[in-house]
Formats: sequence, C-alpha cells, structure tokens
Amino acid sequence: RKEVEQDPGPFNVPEGATVAFNCTYSNSASQSFFWYRQDCRKEPKLLMSVYSSGNEDGRFTAQLNRASQYISLLIRDSKLSDSATYLCAVATQGGKLIFGQGTELSVKP
Amino acid sequence: DARVTQTPRHKVTEMGQEVTMRCQPILGHNTVFWYRQTMMQGLELLAYFRNRAPLDDSGMPKDRFSAEMPDATLATLKIQPSEPRDSAVYFCASGLNRDYPYFGPGTRLTVL
Repeated sequence: RKEVEQDPGPFNVPEGATVAFNCTYSNSASQSFFWYRQDCRKEPKLLMSVYSSGNEDGRFTAQLNRASQYISLLIRDSKLSDSATYLCAVATQGGKLIFGQGTELSVKP
Repeated sequence: DARVTQTPRHKVTEMGQEVTMRCQPILGHNTVFWYRQTMMQGLELLAYFRNRAPLDDSGMPKDRFSAEMPDATLATLKIQPSEPRDSAVYFCASGLNRDYPYFGPGTRLTVL
C-alpha cells in the first residue's frame, strides 16, 4: 500500500463546475500537508498548505481530517486555466515529504 | 526571484554511462530533496538532506545511485552505471527546515 494515495482521474469537468479531490495517507504521525499543482512538463508548485482548521484561498479550499487520515481540495467555479495535475503531499515529523500519484484535472469550455 | 536551479536540463546517454545531475538550492534553504518522476510511479522520493546531512535515502537504489551535498550551495545525484529504466525526470527541491519545498525545473534523463 502506498503511503499517500490519490485517485489518478482524469477528472473532466465543464467550466464553472465544482470539483473535489481526496487524498489518503497511512502514517498517522504525519505532521504537515500540502497541495501542489503541476502543469504538463513543468515542476510541481505549491498551491496551498493544509491546516487542521481548514483553509481557503479564493476558489480553493483545503481540509484535513486527521481522524480519517485524509486531506481534500475543493475547487469552485473551475476555470480552463485550472487544468493541471494536483498532487497532495504529506510530511512526517522529520520532514520526509511524500507525494501522491497526482490527480489530473481537465476543465472544458 | 529566488529559484532552485538544476543542470543539465536534458541528458541523453547510453546504458552503462555515468550521469551526474546538479542542483543549486535557494540561498538560505537548509533542506534538499531529490525526487524522480515517471508516468508509472509518479513522484518518488529518492533522498533528502538537512544541513547537508543525509536524513533518508531509502528510496534510492544503493548499488547505482548516490547523492551528496559537497557544500550548502550544491547537491548532486549520480547514477553509475545508468540503465534504460532510469529514464525519468529528476527533480531537486529545497526548503527551510520542515516548511514546504520549492522545486527546480528538473533534469529530463533518457538512457538508451
């Protein structure tokens, strides 16, 4: 079993749709959680950190559920420019950062 | 605009050759990660360092891969000998302590 698991998708949605990604992790001692975005043939870039209280950045909302060991990312009012692969990342207390496989999102006109 | 730099950006080599990839972390960052990305396996952690000391290299095939930080401004990943299955994009990322890391543009390696 992988330490961090994501549904690889692809998710094909129309513009304006709301889409949610989930990511589960196996190490209950994990300390930090992040969502990265990766465009085709580019490096991953931080989208947002994920906090226990949940956090929002514009159309993006991230949540953490420690009891069930999953994190989620919600994108509202999808734009064509949101098309990318979204990677969740989980860090141990020592700072070892493990990524999920990534979920591909394609937003269509 | 501080960035992680990686060289070379592309490398094509023949099986059996030595490959060395270099990374310059962002100035002031003390944590460096090496990842390998393929379509099949996704982004795999190979090794990471903090304050130049290796903390975990369990993801790295020990018989052919080695990672070092000769100084705080340079991290290297070496493959010797290279094999076709090593073809992938190798990313270096740097961060400050346990904060999220910034990625370099990657080295696209093709082993023929």
